[in-house]
Amino acid sequence: DTAVSQTPKYLVTQMGNDKSIKCEQNLGHDTMYWYKQDSKKFLKIMFSYNNKELIINETVPNRFSPKSPDKAHLNLHINSLELGDSAVYFCASSQGEGAGGDTQYFGPGTRLTVL
Amino acid sequence: QKEVEQDPGPLSVPEGAIVSLNCTYSNSAFQYFMWYRQYSRKGPELLMYTYSSGNKEDGRFTAQVDKSSKYISLFIRDSQPSDSATYLCAMSDAGGTSYGKLTFGQGTILTVHP
Repeated sequence: DTAVSQTPKYLVTQMGNDKSIKCEQNLGHDTMYWYKQDSKKFLKIMFSYNNKELIINETVPNRFSPKSPDKAHLNLHINSLELGDSAVYFCASSQGEGAGGDTQYFGPGTRLTVL
Repeated sequence: QKEVEQDPGPLSVPEGAIVSLNCTYSNSAFQYFMWYRQYSRKGPELLMYTYSSGNKEDGRFTAQVDKSSKYISLFIRDSQPSDSATYLCAMSDAGGTSYGKLTFGQGTILTVHP
């Protein structure tokens, strides 16, 4: 069974559209994250949730809105998509803080292309 | 200047070589130091971690942290073609308002050729 899964795997859309990416983890973890990886492989945290509560909200345009309906799910909705939003978006989860031995487990990524 | 600097490479070595990957950082609050490996078109996976300074060995992999120089390294001995991947260093402080926040380097692309 996949530990952290994301849908869809690929997303191609036009500028100005609204899209959502879904993430689910079956590890029983308390903390979930969204990361963005740009074309140069630079991986940057966007949001983190612990027990459905928003913990980290990095400097991300408010067109990006995460939503955690329960501990096992963290979705990402993006309004008015722009060319610069093209990237790979990774969901991750950890039991607690996600540092050191408290591993962050990453999903397979969603490759978003905005045309 | 980024908080964590990592040479993106690419680095190409023959099978059996010793590989050295490095990162420097500027935030003295970092306490946890991690190395993630990312295969092409996959998510990163944790390879090793250390807390504060010192060395840690796991099989062919050795992680070193020098907090006085703000410099961390990952050594791979007897490198194999299966080690070909992007290696990302990541760092975190001990919690508080940075709960769960990892700061990543850009990643070094490594190719080990037979």
